[in-house]
Amino acid sequence: QKEVEQNSGPLSVPEGAIASLNCTYSDRGSQSFFWYRQYSGKSPELIMSIYSNGDKEDGRFTAQLNKASQYVSLLIRDSQPSDSATYLCAVTADNYGQNFVFGPGTRLSVLP
Amino acid sequence: KAGVTQTPRYLIKTRGQQVTLSCSPISGHRSVSWYQQTPGQGLQFLFEYFSETQRNKGNFPGRFSGRQFSNSRSEMNVSTLELGDSALYLCASSKGTSNTEAFFGQGTRLTVV
Repeated sequence: QKEVEQNSGPLSVPEGAIASLNCTYSDRGSQSFFWYRQYSGKSPELIMSIYSNGDKEDGRFTAQLNKASQYVSLLIRDSQPSDSATYLCAVTADNYGQNFVFGPGTRLSVLP
Repeated sequence: KAGVTQTPRYLIKTRGQQVTLSCSPISGHRSVSWYQQTPGQGLQFLFEYFSETQRNKGNFPGRFSGRQFSNSRSEMNVSTLELGDSALYLCASSKGTSNTEAFFGQGTRLTVV
């Protein structure tokens, strides 16, 4: 059974701080990794994708991947109240297929 | 550029009925995946279609089926509805090639009574 684990939270950080979200996965053959943000009552919105070990930065977001440790993280710098949402980690072992295994999500609350 | 369009947005059905949901992907995208989201189970993969062929399938009973048309639009059908089928059904659109990203539609909220 392929599993993706995340701390459910809630993770509370003050406005302007760095939020750190973590995700571990069980399938060592996993190839592609994604972070989605989901506001309450809305559909998931893609934030970042990462495919190789190391860091990938996009604006205030940095994704980090360590395949040896089966670990992927998302850092949000200068957190804003509008970042308050559930963050979903998605993993797929198939480079072509979009058959994601999702983690349960981490609820982030950014306090003004 | 138009996003992923799912119709209808809301549905209420009675146990035992069947339902068909529709998803129109982003123009140029050939892969459509379907997911079920519930508070208890989270987001679970149903199946993926690419170029009118089912490419991947999750662990759902045969009551859940789908298809894809030549214009890449996809439909999902659930027969003999059960109360537990109440969920948000999401489709995701992607190019379906190596290392490509998937984008979700707004979802269809299905309530079975």
